[in-house]
Amino acid sequence: AQSVAQPEDQVNVAEGNPLTVKCTYSVSGNPYLFWYVQYPNRGLQFLLKYITGDNLVKGSYGFEAEFNKSQTSFHLKKPSALVSDSALYFCAVRDRRRDDKIIFGKGTRLHILP
Amino acid sequence: EAGVTQSPTHLIKTRGQQATLRCSPISGHTSVYWYQQALGLGLQFLLWYDEGEERNRGNFPPRFSGRQFPNYSSELNVNALELEDSALYLCASSMDAHPDIQYFGAGTRLSVL
Repeated sequence: AQSVAQPEDQVNVAEGNPLTVKCTYSVSGNPYLFWYVQYPNRGLQFLLKYITGDNLVKGSYGFEAEFNKSQTSFHLKKPSALVSDSALYFCAVRDRRRDDKIIFGKGTRLHILP
Repeated sequence: EAGVTQSPTHLIKTRGQQATLRCSPISGHTSVYWYQQALGLGLQFLLWYDEGEERNRGNFPPRFSGRQFPNYSSELNVNALELEDSALYLCASSMDAHPDIQYFGAGTRLSVL
């Protein structure tokens, strides 16, 4: 069965420093991978996705993610964190060989410290 | 263009009652998804409707049900409410041609007392 894991419940980063939010996945076929962000009292917003092609994917608000097939990871990164990046981040996976359902991780709360 | 809208914003019920949550997708979107976001459990997939049909269902008991109307709006019904049903219920929609990107509403906060 497909699954996605976000090993860190919370990540704290100083403003201006690079940030990484980790995600690993498990699917039987080729994965489609996504990152979404949730700001307080709001629904989720799409950040970026990996379907195929270049392993480095660029998304909204300066975020990027690197697909690593051998490590089954899709970590979210940003070179320089902003206080406004503080939010809840969800990694998600879809296995196109199965029922096209998207499975979300439990989320990682990112705190950017001024 | 209006986004995904959900109503009501908040809903307070007592144990054993029924709750009905509503969702209007973005115009032109045919798929509607329902998720439960309970504290510490992340986003749990509930139901997926497309063109009026139920496409998939998550690991929830049958008292969680729903439907999609001809205008693609959707209802989520929760019968025999239990305390642990208290959560934020999120609806998302997507275009048939772009099933990978889902657009989320702000959610309905259901509190069961």
